[in-house]
Amino acid sequence: DVKVTQSSRYLVKRTGEKVFLECVQDMDHENMFWYRQDPGLGLRLIYFSYDVKMKEKGDIPEGYSVSREKKERFSLILESASTNQTSMYLCASSLTYGGYEQYFGPGTRLTVT
Amino acid sequence: AQKITQTQPGMFVQEKEAVTLDCTYDTSDPSYGLFWYKQPSSGEMIFLIYQGSYDQQNATEGRYSLNFQKARKSANLVISASQLGDSAMYFCAMRGSGGGADGLTFGKGTHLIIQP
Repeated sequence: DVKVTQSSRYLVKRTGEKVFLECVQDMDHENMFWYRQDPGLGLRLIYFSYDVKMKEKGDIPEGYSVSREKKERFSLILESASTNQTSMYLCASSLTYGGYEQYFGPGTRLTVT
Repeated sequence: AQKITQTQPGMFVQEKEAVTLDCTYDTSDPSYGLFWYKQPSSGEMIFLIYQGSYDQQNATEGRYSLNFQKARKSANLVISASQLGDSAMYFCAMRGSGGGADGLTFGKGTHLIIQP
């Protein structure tokens, strides 16, 4: 069974802090993704990675960066958190071939005060 | 650019009735895929069904079927014999020609409530 885990379910940070959100998958998937979910907006793609040390910008990368040093781990970094980054953050992973389904983690609800 | 439109922000349906959730899409990719995900109040995203743009037949998975009309660019989800446990947010999403390496573009979702 595919499992995608995220380091925290709930996180509260102050404006200006550097924030790390961690995601780990255990199914040897090549691709990993970070989305944010806001009411009335659905999910929007922040960044994704198709291989170790590779990254691609999604639709809303501003204010975020990512790191993928190992295949199973994909980190989202908020360099200087702002209140408009208060959101639910969802990590996902997928294979490149043989099935296109993305498997999602449970999400991290981040509040920036 | 890809776009997904879900025009029903919320729906109330009587238990045991069939439900159709609307989804239209726009893309310039000749090859693409369409997904439906369910998100209960607990928050996890649950994959329901997938349709590839070149698939000849409509996808089905148990009580879920995808009514794919390529010329109309629509990919509606049909849930037969609805159950109370079907109450959730439902998201339509698409990927482009990059296959599994593509990020998904999501619609804004439909909040489905099944009434006893």
